[in-house]
Amino acid sequence: DTGVSQNPRHKITKRGQNVTFRCDPISEHNRLYWYRQTLGQGPEFLTYFQNEAQLEKSRLLSDRFSAERPKGSFSTLEIQRTEQGDSAMYLCASSLADGGDTQYFGPGTRLTVL
Amino acid sequence: RKEVEQDPGPFNVPEGATVAFNCTYSNSASQSFFWYRQDCRKEPKLLMSVYSSGNEDGRFTAQLNRASQYISLLIRDSKLSDSATYLCVAGGSGGSYIPTFGRGTSLIVHP
Repeated sequence: DTGVSQNPRHKITKRGQNVTFRCDPISEHNRLYWYRQTLGQGPEFLTYFQNEAQLEKSRLLSDRFSAERPKGSFSTLEIQRTEQGDSAMYLCASSLADGGDTQYFGPGTRLTVL
Repeated sequence: RKEVEQDPGPFNVPEGATVAFNCTYSNSASQSFFWYRQDCRKEPKLLMSVYSSGNEDGRFTAQLNRASQYISLLIRDSKLSDSATYLCVAGGSGGSYIPTFGRGTSLIVHP
């Protein structure tokens, strides 16, 4: 399968714990996006990378959220000191910057904070 | 005011009907527009890009009206399998690309 993959697909954690999610984009895509989606809402932009550079991070929800893409391939999203309000679906998407920026989404990681 | 607004619906239509959705965006600097389809508890999947000249893909037609800042999606001859949530996206502003999704419009096609 050459699509976007995300791991884990589901994560249940206790409040206060740290969690890390991984996203593997389509191999030739140089842009990678992270979104959060809650029930009844559209995906909410968090941050994006072009290659290894994080070009926009002002929409990260708080300083507890951080993302990395160290080698310009896979990316990780970390949430520190999780809160119940962090429970959501976290989606990753990738695109080609010069390909009209059409984004292709992974299946998402569903986070439940108890 | 939300940056991208959609009527959440649901739109309940019979098979074979024609249905249209509109989506308005507030950022006049937006440069790229898309429609995505999202099935329950699944990821969004690209339906089509939206161009000023309009574009058509089978039963689906998308239009962009820059003057009024809205995009539209028309579905002809609705099928049961068209039942889903349809998300519009506006993005591309200045040097930093921030795609903004609407909350989606729910479509239910019934026999």
